[in-house]
Amino acid sequence: DAEITQSPRHKITETGRQVTLACHQTWNHNNMFWYRQDLGHGLRLIHYSYGVQDTNKGEVSDGYSVSRSNTEDLPLTLESAASSQTSVYFCASGYSLSQQYFGPGTRLTVT
Amino acid sequence: AQSVSQHNHHVILSEAASLELGCNYSYGGTVNLFWYVQYPGQHLQLLLKYFSGDPLVKGIKGFEAEFIKSKFSFNLRKPSVQWSDTAEYFCAVNYGYSTLTFGKGTMLLVSP
Repeated sequence: DAEITQSPRHKITETGRQVTLACHQTWNHNNMFWYRQDLGHGLRLIHYSYGVQDTNKGEVSDGYSVSRSNTEDLPLTLESAASSQTSVYFCASGYSLSQQYFGPGTRLTVT
Repeated sequence: AQSVSQHNHHVILSEAASLELGCNYSYGGTVNLFWYVQYPGQHLQLLLKYFSGDPLVKGIKGFEAEFIKSKFSFNLRKPSVQWSDTAEYFCAVNYGYSTLTFGKGTMLLVSP
């Protein structure tokens, strides 16, 4: 069955370290998204991509980067992790901007 | 920029009570509207969506929502909740080629 996976599911890292969160989907969706979920803020869009070699900044992109070298993967990199980036991160994909399927999430703790 | 407001941050109900969760959006043009649910420890799942047509939309698990254009609202309803409906509910909106904008969520706790 087609699916969307994220790894790792849990990660603890130290301030200043570079961290990469993986997102892989097997639906062949062109559109992929990264959100962070924080209490009281709901889901906020970090970056998104309409297809290979395309990336766009979302509402809260500072301190994050993405690259899209193939259809299936959109890794999210925290260049220098900060405590404010402690959050739950969700990846999503879809054929359209409005119809999105979400991954299981990655809980990141920055100490 | 478009925005989404969910009026209730926390709702506590007893089983069999009726549910209505409020959602208002700011954009005045043609919009697509969604309700997502997140059960404890799980990812978001789509409950229902409205693109056009009948403003009363029926979704999974007995949920429905009504689009009232004049009120910029898309409230979620269920006539009788169950303990298994305990979850966080998110309203979301997009228009045209914009990405989804989510509300801050409403945590529903249903006591048995």
